[in-house]
Amino acid sequence: DIQVTQSPSSLSASVGDRVTITCRASRSLNNYLNWYQQKPGKAPRLLIYVASTLQSGVPSRFSGSGSETDFTLTISSLQPEDFATYYCQQTYSTPYTFGQGTKLEIK
Amino acid sequence: EVQLLESGGGLVQPGGSLRLSCAASGFTFRSSAMNWVRQAPGKGLEWVSLISESGGSTYYADSVKGRFTMSRDNSKNTLYLQMNSLRADDTAIYYCAKETRLNWGRYFDYWGQGTLVTVSS
Repeated sequence: DIQVTQSPSSLSASVGDRVTITCRASRSLNNYLNWYQQKPGKAPRLLIYVASTLQSGVPSRFSGSGSETDFTLTISSLQPEDFATYYCQQTYSTPYTFGQGTKLEIK
Repeated sequence: EVQLLESGGGLVQPGGSLRLSCAASGFTFRSSAMNWVRQAPGKGLEWVSLISESGGSTYYADSVKGRFTMSRDNSKNTLYLQMNSLRADDTAIYYCAKETRLNWGRYFDYWGQGTLVTVSS
């Protein structure tokens, strides 16, 4: 099974900050790496797919990069509505696996 | 508009069974692979199972293999998860999620609102 390690597990930042979350896989994912945002009491929302493609309707301050085993999600200028938990997910092979999550909190 | 509506959750005793449903609309259900993902209280997301477009292939997490069965009825645009031999650690919100497949990737672009399963005596 492919293991996916996400870091940090929590992050405190201010509105306007640039934030980066990383995800490392135990083997190459061939860019089968997605990012989701989840707010309390809500279902996850797709942000980025195939490592760097922005899902329709997602603000351009979100971006994804990386390849092989190392990937990043960057929020260029944090907005109040971005405080949430973020997950990476590999879909290269089953069992699909999610990272442990990064809780982004207001400083 | 794509909609996924889960139902069937509730309180069940350890060792019991429950069947979840996910009613889909707003897209061509028979052309989409589908997944179940769960989230234990206060915890992260855990992929549970995947079913192919036709229903001919299914895949499961080790944690549920042999106890859960995923199926679909393309004539009713409905997805199912039969859960047997339930344990306390199966307590979670269960989400169904639509999978989009490209030649160069796969991702979950739509999710239901979730249904809560509580396993407790």
